[in-house]
Amino acid sequence: DAGVIQSPRHEVTEMGQEVTLRCKPISGHNSLFWYRQTMMRGLELLIYFNNNVPIDDSGMPEDRFSAKMPNASFSTLKIQPSEPRDSAVYFCASSFVGTRPNNYGYTFGSGTRLTVV
Amino acid sequence: DQQVKQNSPSLSVQEGRISILNCDYTNSMFDYFLWYKKYPAEGPTFLISISSIKDKNEDGRFTVFLNKSAKHLSLHIVPSQPGDSAVYFCAASARGAQKLVFGQGTRLTINP
Repeated sequence: DAGVIQSPRHEVTEMGQEVTLRCKPISGHNSLFWYRQTMMRGLELLIYFNNNVPIDDSGMPEDRFSAKMPNASFSTLKIQPSEPRDSAVYFCASSFVGTRPNNYGYTFGSGTRLTVV
Repeated sequence: DQQVKQNSPSLSVQEGRISILNCDYTNSMFDYFLWYKKYPAEGPTFLISISSIKDKNEDGRFTVFLNKSAKHLSLHIVPSQPGDSAVYFCAASARGAQKLVFGQGTRLTINP
């Protein structure tokens, strides 16, 4: 099992550009989560999907952020237009959950470090 | 509104001693708690968890204590080893909820 795969590992872009982050969850997992890590707030949940359907996007900062999960093996997080304050590490995680996380919680990817200049 | 708080951004402990990391929460609906460990350039990995029906869970050198009345949990690592140097995140979930709410993290440094 290759784990949760995120790409790219690093992204440097200019303010105003569109950025797309990608995630491939673990096969068989039915839930996918996008988190953002910052020094001030730690790991913030942006959005999560269950069986490819967005369940809670209350953590998405603003309309510039959007996420999709067209199938069980792929998800994207898009920022358009990007701003310097979006600079952070973005993590994708997946899990198999019924009504709550299992004993081992989520499996995280290695993250995408985004720098907007 | 930070529902899970780790008030110590960093902690430095000597090798062989006990490391104690603390976490407070505000949501009384939380009934399951987890600790994750994160090395640089890697994603967080699960370390240990505890249900609200318990007040202690132990796994080798790692023990998590839960004080529900104080809405406080702690992670004890004993003895601390250099490989324990990492960022530790506390997380919580509420009954019926799928999502985990994380704290800000505490950077633990184990000094030789």
